[in-house]
Amino acid sequence: QVRLVQSGDEVKKPGASVKVSCEASGYSFIMNGIVWVRQAPGQGLQWIGWIGPYNGRTRYAEDFQGRATMTADTSTNTVHMELTSLTSEDTATYYCSRGGGDPPLGVDHWGQGTLVTVSS
Amino acid sequence: SSELTQPPSVSVSPGQTARIPCSGDGLPKQYVYWYQHKPGRAPVSLIYKDSERPSGIPDRFSGSSAGTTATLTITGVQAEDEAVYYCQAAYSNGSPWLFGGGTKVTVL
Repeated sequence: QVRLVQSGDEVKKPGASVKVSCEASGYSFIMNGIVWVRQAPGQGLQWIGWIGPYNGRTRYAEDFQGRATMTADTSTNTVHMELTSLTSEDTATYYCSRGGGDPPLGVDHWGQGTLVTVSS
Repeated sequence: SSELTQPPSVSVSPGQTARIPCSGDGLPKQYVYWYQHKPGRAPVSLIYKDSERPSGIPDRFSGSSAGTTATLTITGVQAEDEAVYYCQAAYSNGSPWLFGGGTKVTVL
């Protein structure tokens, strides 16, 4: 079955960077995009961006342009999402999810989430 | 408009029907997706492309869309359906994605 397994929780200081990984299994990795979404405490879901592993094409939300970078490693079926210049407002649970369609317009499976805490 | 609007909360008695609207000016040209999110857990995809239900999702969940409003309907609500429900849409080029603010469903 489709599985998305994310890396463990992280604690970072303001100004630092964080890299969250998402290992996919149970389907053909290059056939579906991976979408990243986050949820800050007490807030709703927020789209960060997506990557198409088949060609490395990326799209980022305006709020994350220049600060988020997504990469795909087809040898390990893993997508990485790096977020730089962290502030306390980046404290959130980050989810990877499998996109449907090209480009992905929605998702069907989700990772378990990675809590990123930004604190001095 | 670049927003999707949902009511913050809906309350329903067990066995009754809950309807959650999601409105946005772009919806006539976009597919809508619905997700269920319970505290401490990953979201679950309930509906894709307005009204399609993935395998494994109970048939009491259904979706529809007309004009600028999409609706998630839960028929015969159960206690386990208490959660926050989000609608989501994207432009055909894949950017940007929009999420509604979420609707908390309370089962009385």
